Amino acid sequence: EAGVVQSPRYKIIEKKQPVAFWCNPISGHNTLYWYLQNLGQGPELLIRYENEEAVDDSQLPKDRFSAERLKGVDSTLKIQPAELGDSAVYLCASSSGGNSPLHFGNGTRLTVT
Amino acid sequence: QQQVKQSPQSLIVQKGGISIINCAYENTAFDYFPWYQQFPGKGPALLIAIRPDVSEKKEGRFTISFNKSAKQFSLHIMDSQPGDSATYFCAAMNSGYSTLTFGKGTMLLVSP
Repeated sequence: EAGVVQSPRYKIIEKKQPVAFWCNPISGHNTLYWYLQNLGQGPELLIRYENEEAVDDSQLPKDRFSAERLKGVDSTLKIQPAELGDSAVYLCASSSGGNSPLHFGNGTRLTVT
Repeated sequence: QQQVKQSPQSLIVQKGGISIINCAYENTAFDYFPWYQQFPGKGPALLIAIRPDVSEKKEGRFTISFNKSAKQFSLHIMDSQPGDSATYFCAAMNSGYSTLTFGKGTMLLVSP
């Protein structure tokens, strides 16, 4: 079974530039998550999708962050414009719902200079 | 408000020793408690999980102890090995929301 695939692995951009991250979940997993992990901290939820519907985006800073999950499979997370404080690892995870285990990708490490 | 508190922040254990990491939660609606292991440059990977209807779960060298009344749970790693050196996160979930809330992590170093 292929795991959660994220790209790119690393991204370095200047502040005020846009950036996008891509996630391909495990096949058949209807629930998709984007988490933010700051250095030395635990992951924090940004948004959760059930199929193509964002059912929990209360922690997503909507002034600069956006996400989409067209067709209920792949997902993209976008930041525009990026700020220095956005430097972190952005993790994507998927599950089959309920209290099924979350499977994480290896993340995208963003550095904003 | 931090819903899942984890301690210690870091831990050094000698090879063959027992590593113990503790977590406490506040939300009594949580009904699923996993532990994740994370190596540098990798995403967190599920290690072991427990539901509140049991007080202990063991898988190989890893054991979760769960105390529902105290709202606490802990991870015990028996016969710790250098390959266990990683960051460990406890987490909790309310199945109705399917979202994990993580602790801040414990960096474990097992010395040879």
